[in-house]
Amino acid sequence: EDKVVQSPLSLVVHEGDTVTLNCSYEVTNFRSLLWYKQEKKAPTFLFMLTSSGIEKKSGRLSSILDKKELFSILNITATQTGDSAVYLCAVDSLARGGSQGNLIFGKGTKLSVKP
Amino acid sequence: GAVVSQHPSRVICKSGTSVKIECRSLDFQATTMFWYRQFPKQSLMLMATSNEGSKATYEQGVEKDKFLINHASLTLSTLTVTSAHPEDSSFYICSARGKTGPPYGYTFGSGTRLTVV
Repeated sequence: EDKVVQSPLSLVVHEGDTVTLNCSYEVTNFRSLLWYKQEKKAPTFLFMLTSSGIEKKSGRLSSILDKKELFSILNITATQTGDSAVYLCAVDSLARGGSQGNLIFGKGTKLSVKP
Repeated sequence: GAVVSQHPSRVICKSGTSVKIECRSLDFQATTMFWYRQFPKQSLMLMATSNEGSKATYEQGVEKDKFLINHASLTLSTLTVTSAHPEDSSFYICSARGKTGPPYGYTFGSGTRLTVV
């Protein structure tokens, strides 16, 4: 059975700290891995990773994928209170026997950044 | 960027009534629409996948007669919760993917919080 596991499930840090969020997966027909930030409503896209070892960066956020070890990390440096959210990892896989894919989500990591 | 509009954002209905949720892709053609539900403090669970003009594919455990999905055009999909019960109260989110859509493949609507009383 396909699965995506995120750790830790929750994390409390202080402003300025650096955090690393983990995502491991076991998915057949892997296509890509995506990171989302979810505050009160729908997830907002952060990164899509398809190749191993290539770091994607956006400001204080960065992410990298290891397709051999089947995991990804999301780093946030110099955290701010506005970074408080649930961070979701999802793997895009080709659906069973079909050409359409679907996202398999992890349970998320709830990050709380204290002032 | 690509935008998916989902309405309503919040709805409260009485037990036994039906509720329709709309999901529209505003600036791209959504060849595939995905419907998710999310319970408090849980992750998104895929309910069904639909392609324009064909029947939706439901995930195991999701009642197709209760959660009716229509994907009549390349820009509109609807989810109708029929004979809603309090246990159907949840956050429902659609996601759209198109051939000419964003490179990241999936764009989410803003979600609908359904409360059945």
